[in-house]
Amino acid sequence: DTEVTQTPKHLVMGMTNKKSLKCEQHMGHRAMYWYKQKAKKPPELMFVYSYEKLSINESVPSRFSPECPNSSLLNLHLHALQPEDSALYLCASSQGADYTGELFFGEGSRLTVL
Amino acid sequence: QQPVQSPQAVILREGEDAVINCSSSKALYSVHWYRQKHGEAPVFLMILLKGGEQKGHDKISASFNEKKQQSSLYLTASQLSYSGTYFCGTVPSGGSNYKLTFGKGTLLTVNP
Repeated sequence: DTEVTQTPKHLVMGMTNKKSLKCEQHMGHRAMYWYKQKAKKPPELMFVYSYEKLSINESVPSRFSPECPNSSLLNLHLHALQPEDSALYLCASSQGADYTGELFFGEGSRLTVL
Repeated sequence: QQPVQSPQAVILREGEDAVINCSSSKALYSVHWYRQKHGEAPVFLMILLKGGEQKGHDKISASFNEKKQQSSLYLTASQLSYSGTYFCGTVPSGGSNYKLTFGKGTLLTVNP
């Protein structure tokens, strides 16, 4: 199994809603990532978890709250988002967090904030 | 620090060759290449680690000049399936937290 599965594929939410994005991998990878991608732009790193601990937070606003319940799961909790937060949110995993191996990306969750 | 990719876009006919360049102002630990087709996830192509290596994968190969902090991706005898946006990603050397930063991408279109 070389897949990273993300749910939901599409999400529409209002600025006062609370929602969550979910990511799952069963490759035994110990590093998991959240990236944000706007149209025609490169993916931008948001968070890195290494061995279930948050190792990098790229100064992401607190309305985005990551959680890594176990080594296979990664969540991104969303609250009080702004319309400019509308984007494709990509989850990725890798063997380790030292970038000597490939990142496996999920297909993303496309978020629209109204 | 975001790497600089060139060209921004390139249009080829099937069978033609292309080169995509990636440069950084910082000393690099590794260079990564990914391809993303419209509406899909980025897909890994290859990694080059410092040491000035060259790698190949079918008709796609890449080089990494550590001294110049540059990498190039070579696509030979292009196929329609090569169309997509190519991103290089760089990891700077030094420091304890490795971060991969992607360039702005190169849109490659291969026409019949």
